[in-house]
Formats: sequence, structure tokens, C-alpha cells
Amino acid sequence: DAGVIQSPRHEVTEMGQEVTLRCKPISGHNSLFWYRQTMMRGLELLIYFNNNVPIDDSGMPEDRFSAKMPNASFSTLKIQPSEPRDSAVYFCASSPGTGNYGYTFGSGTRLTVV
Amino acid sequence: KNEVEQSPQNLTAQEGEFITINCSYSVGISALHWLQQHPGGGIVSLFMLSSGKKKHGRLIATINIQEKHSSLHITASHPRDSAVYICAVRLGYADKLIFGTGTRLQVFP
Repeated sequence: DAGVIQSPRHEVTEMGQEVTLRCKPISGHNSLFWYRQTMMRGLELLIYFNNNVPIDDSGMPEDRFSAKMPNASFSTLKIQPSEPRDSAVYFCASSPGTGNYGYTFGSGTRLTVV
Repeated sequence: KNEVEQSPQNLTAQEGEFITINCSYSVGISALHWLQQHPGGGIVSLFMLSSGKKKHGRLIATINIQEKHSSLHITASHPRDSAVYICAVRLGYADKLIFGTGTRLQVFP
């Protein structure tokens, strides 16, 4: 298995532009998580899905952020419009399901908004 | 006060030394995870614990549920162990992780 695949690895965009981050979870994993990592706040959960359904989006910072999971093998995190304070590394992770399972993280997308 | 506290924040060691990183938490949990992140790199899951002790190679993780405390030990440390080690807890009632701020470990030859 190729693991959790995120794209792009790096994204540099201008303030105000729309940014879309993509994630392909491990096949057969039913739970998918989006995390953001910054120097100031460390790792924070933004949203997670179970069986393609958003379960907890309380970590999404504001309405500029949205996430979708149209099917079991693909999820997107969109920021529109982007702002410099959105600059961070965004990680996607998947796990076999709810309960005490291990997590597999993607390599992350480093977003820089200038 | 953070729900997950790690200590120390930074740690330096000479190759071969025994390393201990501590994690304390204040919430009810169903499991605790230790993660490793190399500079500029992705995050790798090392252990998931709900009780007792686990060992993988030179790494040992323990948890004391009553004391709400976990430790990660590295025996015979090596420069390639240099990384940030992150403790994360899965809440007992929710399927999400809360993270500690990490311990930055540097092992010198």
C-alpha cells in the first residue's frame, strides 16, 4: 500500500486565492482526519470523517475553510479566500475506523500564503 | 493549562545514552499515541497504548492509567533518533486526538 497520499507537497499562493489540498486515504480505512501544524499551536484537528460523513468539524477555524469527502478514496480541504495566517503544514491521516486504531499520516502539504 | 503536557520540551543526548520523554494528561482517554516527526518530515506513529507497556526495537512505551502518565524510552540512542516526539491522546468519548506540544530530541555522535 502506498500509504496516505497528499498533494501537493508544497503550495505557495497569494492572499485571496483559493487553495485546494487533496488526500487519498489508505484503501479500506473508514476514518479520515485533517490536521494543521503551526509553530505557535502545534498540531490541531480541523475535521474528521467516518464513512465519508463529517463527524466533527469544530476545529475548522472559520467559514473560509471547507472539507469534503465525496467517496471513500478522496478528500479535499479548501481555503477560500486564503490569508497569510493560514500558512502551515496540513496533514491528512486515516485509520481503519472508530475505536482504538492506529493512525497513518500523509507526508503533509506545506502551504505558504504571501 | 494544556490537556496534554510533555516534558522536557528539548532534550540533547550523547549517542548511546538512555532517553526518557514524559507525557501527562488531564482528561479521560481510551488510548495514547506516541508519534515521531523528523525535521521537515512527515509523522510516523510509533505506539498506541491503552495499558501496560509496548516495545519495538530500542523503543519502549509505558502508560499508567491511574496516574494519567506515559513515558517513551529510547535505549542506546543514536543520531538518527533525532526528531520531535509527540504524545497524543484519544478522548474516551470521541474519535479524535489531542496533541502535546512535542519534545525535540537531538542525539550527538
